[in-house]
Amino acid sequence: SQQGEEDPQALSIQEGENATMNCSYKTSINNLQWYRQNSGRGLVHLILIRSNEREKHSGRLRVTLDTSKKSSSLLITASRAADTASYFCAIRYNNNDMRFGAGTRLTVKP
Amino acid sequence: DTGVSQDPRHKITKRGQNVTFRCDPISEHNRLYWYRQTLGQGPEFLTYFQNEAQLEKSRLLSDRFSAERPKGSFSTLEIQRTEQGDSAMYLCASSRGGGAYTEAFFGQGTRLTVV
Repeated sequence: SQQGEEDPQALSIQEGENATMNCSYKTSINNLQWYRQNSGRGLVHLILIRSNEREKHSGRLRVTLDTSKKSSSLLITASRAADTASYFCAIRYNNNDMRFGAGTRLTVKP
Repeated sequence: DTGVSQDPRHKITKRGQNVTFRCDPISEHNRLYWYRQTLGQGPEFLTYFQNEAQLEKSRLLSDRFSAERPKGSFSTLEIQRTEQGDSAMYLCASSRGGGAYTEAFFGQGTRLTVV
């Protein structure tokens, strides 16, 4: 399968804690993108990381990429109840389509 | 609002009917993608266009499904003879090319319910 696989499937934390979710893939990638989806809504683009990058930041979000392990992680610091959503990684293996995993469902309790 | 617009947002149809969805991408984006998402799952790739050319189709896209992008701008996805298993969220995304630097942005989706 060319899609990414997120881990864990579900994560429940208290507001203020950090949340880490992971994405693994199988072959060399072009880039990897993280998205957030609130229930019943479309996907919101969070961060794109290219295969030659190791880390990117955007506000409270930090994404790392380890191409030797074929994995990426998304860290959300100081989580808020509004961060409750599903998070997906999208893998682009070449200059073609993107493939998604099943996502991590994050619940942040107030 | 990402700039990708999908219409309608919701569609309820009877089994056996045909339905058509429309996607308007961000204006300068030449890539357009269609995905299908069922409850609790990630988006599944259906097809994508580079300008008006349909470059790849998933095996998920049975012969009841057809997509077009006639002028390289908006796209339509038609499902003929709908079945209950077609009930899902249909998502459209667009990007400026498909290279390592390009981000893809999604619309709000069309939720299809087949009764």
